[in-house]
Amino acid sequence: KAGVTQTPRYLIKTRGQQVTLSCSPISGHRSVSWYQQTPGQGLQFLFEYFSETQRNKGNFPGRFSGRQFSNSRSEMNVSTLELGDSALYLCASSLGGQGNTEAFFGQGTRLTVV
Amino acid sequence: SQQGEEDPQALSIQEGENATMNCSYKTSINNLQWYRQNSGRGLVHLILIRSNEREKHSGRLRVTLDTSKKSSSLLITASRAADTASYFCAYASGGSYIPTFGRGTSLIVHP
Repeated sequence: KAGVTQTPRYLIKTRGQQVTLSCSPISGHRSVSWYQQTPGQGLQFLFEYFSETQRNKGNFPGRFSGRQFSNSRSEMNVSTLELGDSALYLCASSLGGQGNTEAFFGQGTRLTVV
Repeated sequence: SQQGEEDPQALSIQEGENATMNCSYKTSINNLQWYRQNSGRGLVHLILIRSNEREKHSGRLRVTLDTSKKSSSLLITASRAADTASYFCAYASGGSYIPTFGRGTSLIVHP
């Protein structure tokens, strides 16, 4: 079956702009999590959506938001971009059950803020 | 959540040698997973070990878990140049099932 698909793969934005990233999970997976990866901070958890509801949230400012649609596809939005938002954004899908956290990652979206 | 620590941060070996990476964490965990990431790409899930398991194998991979020492190790036997990547441990703890990732070990296997 198809893996996790993230679009776009690369993005260049200017400070102050906003951006929307998309993630299509594996068919049948209801949980989508988003991570930010930077050389300095490593992989940081942003938030998790399950059945269209945000179920968990990391320690990121309100400029970072997301949503999930009825088909489990998820979008992440970052408003008022800052240079420090340049990172690889990864989404992961999983079945969403609490007993098994095995997650499958997409290839990521490389965001560069200039 | 507190990130785990991987050791070493970087490892350089010759093809055919074994590579061992360690991961330490600070809280009790539900399970621990290991992932591989090729340069700037997504993470590939390698293996999951539950808190009540001590050792698990998958092909050339061997993972051990010592909950008393709050540590895990990943052993790659007979390494290949294609194993060159960053390796991350990730664990879910407490009531959360959201994995917390370590900083990763960068492995370079020279042909």
